[in-house]
Amino acid sequence: GQNIDQPTEMTATEGAIVQINCTYQTSGFNGLFWYQQHAGEAPTFLSYNVLDGLEEKGRFSSFLSRSKGYSYLLLKELQMKDSASYLCAVARSGNTPLVFGKGTRLSVIA
Amino acid sequence: GAVVSQHPSRVICKSGTSVKIECRSLDFQATTMFWYRQFPKQSLMLMATSNEGSKATYEQGVEKDKFLINHASLTLSTLTVTSAHPEDSSFYICSASSETDTQYFGPGTRLTVL
Repeated sequence: GQNIDQPTEMTATEGAIVQINCTYQTSGFNGLFWYQQHAGEAPTFLSYNVLDGLEEKGRFSSFLSRSKGYSYLLLKELQMKDSASYLCAVARSGNTPLVFGKGTRLSVIA
Repeated sequence: GAVVSQHPSRVICKSGTSVKIECRSLDFQATTMFWYRQFPKQSLMLMATSNEGSKATYEQGVEKDKFLINHASLTLSTLTVTSAHPEDSSFYICSASSETDTQYFGPGTRLTVL
């Protein structure tokens, strides 16, 4: 079966750093994606990891360990606008649908 | 990043009518497009996978005769909700897959059936 786990909710303070973890067990692996989804809007692409290690993109970084079936999304210098749901998704192979986690709802407070 | 558009962004219709939603990849060719549905505060739910020139693959529990999908070209897929009922009211989102398997989402269509 396909299983992706991530925390349901997290709260962090403006200006701080937050790490959102994701563990996965899937049949096949062809990369891991992180998406951001604001309430009432469609998801937007944040990052893609297919090799082990850290990918940095501005305030956002994503890490992957394939041997551990583990990824995290790191958000630095949090801003109020970062309050959103963050979706972890795994590509298995070719053009098969991504397997999505249920999302982590992040609340940034002053 | 790649751009995917959806039309309309919002639609209100009477119960029993049919509604067509278009999904277009604007700057890349998408051999595969996906249709999702999302109820308030719930996860994305995959409805079907649409491949250009072939029949769509529906997820378990999704009625193919109610949710008609057509993928006539590499840049256009359509979802038609036939004989819509209030329980079909939801946020419908399409995505298009690029060569790198990255899925880019359209902005979504909010359907309200009265």
